[in-house]
Amino acid sequence: AQRVTQPEKLLSVFKGAPVELKCNYSYSGSPELFWYVQYSRQRLQLLLRHISRESIKGFTADLNKGETSFHLKKPFAQEEDSAMYYCALSGAGASKLTFGTGTRLQVTL
Amino acid sequence: DTGVSQDPRHKITKRGQNVTFRCDPISEHNRLYWYRQTLGQGPEFLTYFQNEAQLEKSRLLSDRFSAERPKGSFSTLEIQRTEQGDSAMYLCASSLAFRTVDDTEAFFGQGTRLTVV
Repeated sequence: AQRVTQPEKLLSVFKGAPVELKCNYSYSGSPELFWYVQYSRQRLQLLLRHISRESIKGFTADLNKGETSFHLKKPFAQEEDSAMYYCALSGAGASKLTFGTGTRLQVTL
Repeated sequence: DTGVSQDPRHKITKRGQNVTFRCDPISEHNRLYWYRQTLGQGPEFLTYFQNEAQLEKSRLLSDRFSAERPKGSFSTLEIQRTEQGDSAMYLCASSLAFRTVDDTEAFFGQGTRLTVV
């Protein structure tokens, strides 16, 4: 069975502070990991995926297979980063996504 | 807007009634997914199609739920004899399944919020 755990429902940080949103997964095989973001009143959209190894809007995430983690990081939080963040996993064949319960990031002045 | 569109955006229905939702995917996308999201939870997979073939169904999809994708274009999700526990946001997503790096990105619609009273 595949499972994604996001331990924090809410993460509140000050503008300019570093951000780390935690994600742990369980999957018997080689998963693909994603971070999706949902800004207020907008649809869910892909932020980044581990196979691309890119930085999007200053966010990065490294897949750690030993710790089965895919934490999302940003060195300096911005107000516009406030949103709901979901970690998700897909198995081989690019079929269904299994989502975590999400973490709401609140960036305050 | 050329993204995934869902209709209606909101639906209020009485317990026991049938409801049908529609999803129009991005036109060239061959995969279409349905998810359900309840308060405080992430989206949960219900079913997906590749073209017109329904390839996987979650155990969440009881006998009262049926999904179709005639001709591999739009899809409908029908819930028969609705129950209060069916109240949720129903999300549709589409993707393009080829053997490339970009073929796993799922694009989501804005969802249909169902309230069963």
